[in-house]
Amino acid sequence: RKEVEQDPGPFNVPEGATVAFNCTYSNSASQSFFWYRQDCRKEPKLLMSVYSSGNEDGRFTAQLNRASQYISLLIRDSKLSDSATYLCVVNRNTGGFKTIFGAGTRLFVKA
Amino acid sequence: NAGVTQTPKFQVLKTGQSMTLQCAQDMNHNSMYWYRQDPGMGLRLIYYSASEGTTDKGEVPNGYNVSRLNKREFSLRLESAAPSQTSVYFCASSETVSVYEQYFGPGTRLTVT
Repeated sequence: RKEVEQDPGPFNVPEGATVAFNCTYSNSASQSFFWYRQDCRKEPKLLMSVYSSGNEDGRFTAQLNRASQYISLLIRDSKLSDSATYLCVVNRNTGGFKTIFGAGTRLFVKA
Repeated sequence: NAGVTQTPKFQVLKTGQSMTLQCAQDMNHNSMYWYRQDPGMGLRLIYYSASEGTTDKGEVPNGYNVSRLNKREFSLRLESAAPSQTSVYFCASSETVSVYEQYFGPGTRLTVT
């Protein structure tokens, strides 16, 4: 079983839709959590950090559930420009640094 | 402010050849990383440098060596390239390891024939 798992998709949604991605992680010692966005043939770029209290940035909301060991990303009012692959990232630094990237969830937003 | 830069952008090698991928950051970050990304897989950490003067193995270090030349620069060397090393290589940096977000360079697309 992979340490960080994501639904690969693709998710095909119309403009204006709300879409949610989940990511599960298996190591309870994980300390920090992020969502990155990666456009085709480009580098990953930080979308947002994820906190236990939940955090929002415009149309994007991220949540962390430590008890169930998953993080989520909600995108409201999807735009064509949101089409990309969304990567879940989990870090820890106990017994050595480890950073694990999920394989990503592809999103296509269509007009 | 360039962020993280990588050279070259593209490279084709024959099996057994060697090469060095260069990475530099101008954000005064302490930590730097090298990843590879293969189709259908997440990025996998090859090596990292928590601070100047230190380097440590990541998840997939075999076949690679690294040098943290100074605080700004972190290079990745393939001593004897193999077809299995065909991949996209990304360099990244962060303030420190663990809790801080990482900033990525544009990547190097390497093909080994």
